[in-house]
Amino acid sequence: GAVVSQHPSRVICKSGTSVKIECRSLDFQATTMFWYRQFPKQSLMLMATSNEGSKATYEQGVEKDKFLINHASLTLSTLTVTSAHPEDSSFYICSASGGRGYEQYFGPGTRLTVT
Amino acid sequence: AQSVAQPEDQVNVAEGNPLTVKCTYSVSGNPYLFWYVQYPNRGLQFLLKYITGDNLVKGSYGFEAEFNKSQTSFHLKKPSALVSDSALYFCAVRASRKLTFGTGTQLKVEL
Repeated sequence: GAVVSQHPSRVICKSGTSVKIECRSLDFQATTMFWYRQFPKQSLMLMATSNEGSKATYEQGVEKDKFLINHASLTLSTLTVTSAHPEDSSFYICSASGGRGYEQYFGPGTRLTVT
Repeated sequence: AQSVAQPEDQVNVAEGNPLTVKCTYSVSGNPYLFWYVQYPNRGLQFLLKYITGDNLVKGSYGFEAEFNKSQTSFHLKKPSALVSDSALYFCAVRASRKLTFGTGTQLKVEL
């Protein structure tokens, strides 16, 4: 149980375009989803927290107009990187939490490369 | 604000030997502590957690961790390492439903 999927696993896009990453909880209802960014050989940095049906809460320094997060249902959250630039290239990981939510269950990650 | 320190970037151990990956934390209130493992180009896999109760927590794949309140530590341990344990290990503390991660420790288990 507690499986989280991400799609796509890998994406390459041109500078200036937008790309959408999906995060799904497959066997539980995720009241809260989290989006992280991980640079090579570094830790995970929380970008934003989203609760189903409400606006995401962004961490300090994260541009909410650039990283659009939608959590429209209890099993799906999306992260859209708008007008992507090469510096947005990174590994993006989502996690989902449900119920009492002590644990976060992580997706397998999405490798974004902006050329 | 909460924080986690993993003082070792890398730990090397021979297969069959015991391993320890260190973690210290700082948080207001009761600590909720976690260990995760990450394999290359993959997300994080949950190993174990401490919420309350016994200081020795047993988790997946034979790993355990010892919570020490006086030393604010939560070291990850395994009695006998396997080559397949080689991966990146993260300690994390939870506060206000957010996880704060340490910088990670690369574990390398050699034959």
